[in-house]
Amino acid sequence: AQKVTQAQTEISVVEKEDVTLDCVYETRDTTYYLFWYKQPPSGELVFLIRRNSFDEQNEISGRYSWNFQKSTSSFNFTITASQVVDSAVYFCALSEASGAGGTSYGKLTFGQGTILTVHP
Amino acid sequence: GAVVSQHPSRVICKSGTSVKIECRSLDFQATTMFWYRQFPKQSLMLMATSNEGSKATYEQGVEKDKFLINHASLTLSTLTVTSAHPEDSSFYICSASGVIADSLQETQYFGPGTRLLVL
Repeated sequence: AQKVTQAQTEISVVEKEDVTLDCVYETRDTTYYLFWYKQPPSGELVFLIRRNSFDEQNEISGRYSWNFQKSTSSFNFTITASQVVDSAVYFCALSEASGAGGTSYGKLTFGQGTILTVHP
Repeated sequence: GAVVSQHPSRVICKSGTSVKIECRSLDFQATTMFWYRQFPKQSLMLMATSNEGSKATYEQGVEKDKFLINHASLTLSTLTVTSAHPEDSSFYICSASGVIADSLQETQYFGPGTRLLVL
């Protein structure tokens, strides 16, 4: 069975601080995908990143960066110089790879989410 | 722009009535759609996997006779909450799996969600 754990229920920071959201996962699959989503108060999920289990390179996108450590089954997310607009619930998710060559994926297993509040 | 739509976005109904929620993939065909439910301050939990032209696969603990899922076409799946009760009040989110335009990889796209309040 797959499991995603986001141990931090709530994080509160002051604007311009850096913040890291932790994500630890469990799976028996050899090929899988990891995701991060942002859910603002409107409720709509905003896709942030998808990472294949074979690609352990860290990734940076603007103020966002992700650290994938397969050895510790972690996929942490860092926001640099946080802004008030970053306030939201952030979900880490996991899915088994499927299809030819493992290029597709199916149902997502979500972590419990981390509520991030950035104060001005 | 949005690639998956849901209708309605918000619905309030009386206890005992049935509510239908539509999930549409826009500009792409989705052979598989997923229905998730999210209670306040909780995570998203998968309810069922819907494949076009076949019966949905429900997760353990989800009543298939209460949550009717129909995936009659490659662009539309519907979730009907039958005889809704206050405990069914939740945020229902669908996702559709497909390949858009020049994308080389099948990707899952989430709809904006439907807030159901049963009085």
